[in-house]
Amino acid sequence: EAGVAQSPRYKIIEKRQSVAFWCNPISGHATLYWYQQILGQGPKLLIQFQNNGVVDDSQLPKDRFSAERLKGVDSTLKIQPAKLEDSAVYLCASSFDRGTSGANVLTFGAGSRLTVL
Amino acid sequence: EDQVTQSPEALRLQEGESSSLNCSYTVSGLRGLFWYRQDPGKGPEFLFTLYSAGEEKEKERLKATLTKKESFLHITAPKPEDSATYLCAVQIMFSGGYNKLIFGAGTRLAVHP
Repeated sequence: EAGVAQSPRYKIIEKRQSVAFWCNPISGHATLYWYQQILGQGPKLLIQFQNNGVVDDSQLPKDRFSAERLKGVDSTLKIQPAKLEDSAVYLCASSFDRGTSGANVLTFGAGSRLTVL
Repeated sequence: EDQVTQSPEALRLQEGESSSLNCSYTVSGLRGLFWYRQDPGKGPEFLFTLYSAGEEKEKERLKATLTKKESFLHITAPKPEDSATYLCAVQIMFSGGYNKLIFGAGTRLAVHP
């Protein structure tokens, strides 16, 4: 089974510029997640999709971050304009179940490392 | 507020020296407790899910246990290849019946020959 694909792996931009990250989840996984992981910290959930609908975006800085999941498959996370504190690894994950019962195992991609100068 | 705390932040062991990592949590509506391993430059890799107090799971040199307030990851006779960051996460139910996974900050484990 192919894993969660993310690109680009690395991106360096200057503050106030924009950046976009792409994620392709495991085929058939209904739930897709974007996490932000700052160096030395655990991953923090930014947004969670169920198919192509948003079920949680309470920690997404909506003035600068946006995300979409068209057709319930791949997803894009955008930051515009970027700030220094956005330097982090952006992890995409997906899970098979519908997220409404029991506990579901998330499979993570390798992440996209963003450096904002 | 839902919270996950891991200790210690970092742990250095000699090869063969057994130890335990701790994960304490304060959440409502726990659906499962997860342990993940994260190597540098990679995403977290799933290790275990525990669902109820008293449950234990094992994988090679790792054993995870769960109580009502905390979980332990026991590492028996570790090898250098066990060096990684170990992340604990709790899955809770939130509005709409969906699951949310909340992570702790992790424990960085270094095992030296």
